[in-house]
Amino acid sequence: DQQVKQNSPSLSVQEGRISILNCDYTNSMFDYFLWYKKYPAEGPTFLISISSIKDKNEDGRFTVFLNKSAKHLSLHIVPSQPGDSAVYFCAARRNTGKLIFGQGTTLQVKP
Amino acid sequence: KAGVTQTPRYLIKTRGQQVTLSCSPISGHRSVSWYQQTPGQGLQFLFEYFSETQRNKGNFPGRFSGRQFSNSRSEMNVSTLELGDSALYLCASSQGQATYNEQFFGPGTRLTVL
Repeated sequence: DQQVKQNSPSLSVQEGRISILNCDYTNSMFDYFLWYKKYPAEGPTFLISISSIKDKNEDGRFTVFLNKSAKHLSLHIVPSQPGDSAVYFCAARRNTGKLIFGQGTTLQVKP
Repeated sequence: KAGVTQTPRYLIKTRGQQVTLSCSPISGHRSVSWYQQTPGQGLQFLFEYFSETQRNKGNFPGRFSGRQFSNSRSEMNVSTLELGDSALYLCASSQGQATYNEQFFGPGTRLTVL
C-alpha cells in the first residue's frame, strides 16, 4: 500500500521557468512532510520541509505547499536552473517515526 | 565533518548467498536508518537503530536484519539473496532518533543479485 505517491515519474522544464513537483498521501496521521533531492551516485539530501500545521514554507527558490484537505503537497522551484536536475522524493512521517517516501520524480531542467 | 560512509559501494552476489553492508554515521550521530531504493518503488524503510537498539522496522522479510555497534556504526545483513533484492541500499544518520531529527544520507551500496 503506497501511502505516499508521486504520480509523475518525470518532468521537463525550461531554465528560468517554474518547476512544480506533486505528491499525494493517504494517511491523515502524517504530521510532517519533507522533500529530498538526489543526484546520481549520491544519497538523497534534505531540501525543505513543512509541518502539518502550516500550509506553506519557503526557502529561497523553493516553496512547499500543503493542502491537508486534499492530502496533497507540492514543491515549487522558481526559477528553475540546470543544476536542479535531479530526482526529487517527497516523504511523510507520523510521530511514531519512520519516513515513508514516494517513488520519486526525475526533474530535467533544459538550458 | 565527514559525511555518512557506506561500504562497499558496489556488490555483485548470486542467488542464495548472503551479504553484509556497512554504514558509518556522521561523528556524534546515534541513529542509523536503512532504506532500499528500487525503480518505481522509491525509498522503502527497512529499520532504524538508535543506541544499539532497533527502534523501528519496515515491512521486509526476516531475511533482512541489522545491528548497531557501540560506536554507532551499523551493519545490514541479507540472507538467502533473491533476484528482487537487487537495489540501492541507503543508510542515513541523525543525531537523535530519526523521528525528530534531520537525516543525512550516505551514497549507498549498489547490490546486484545474479
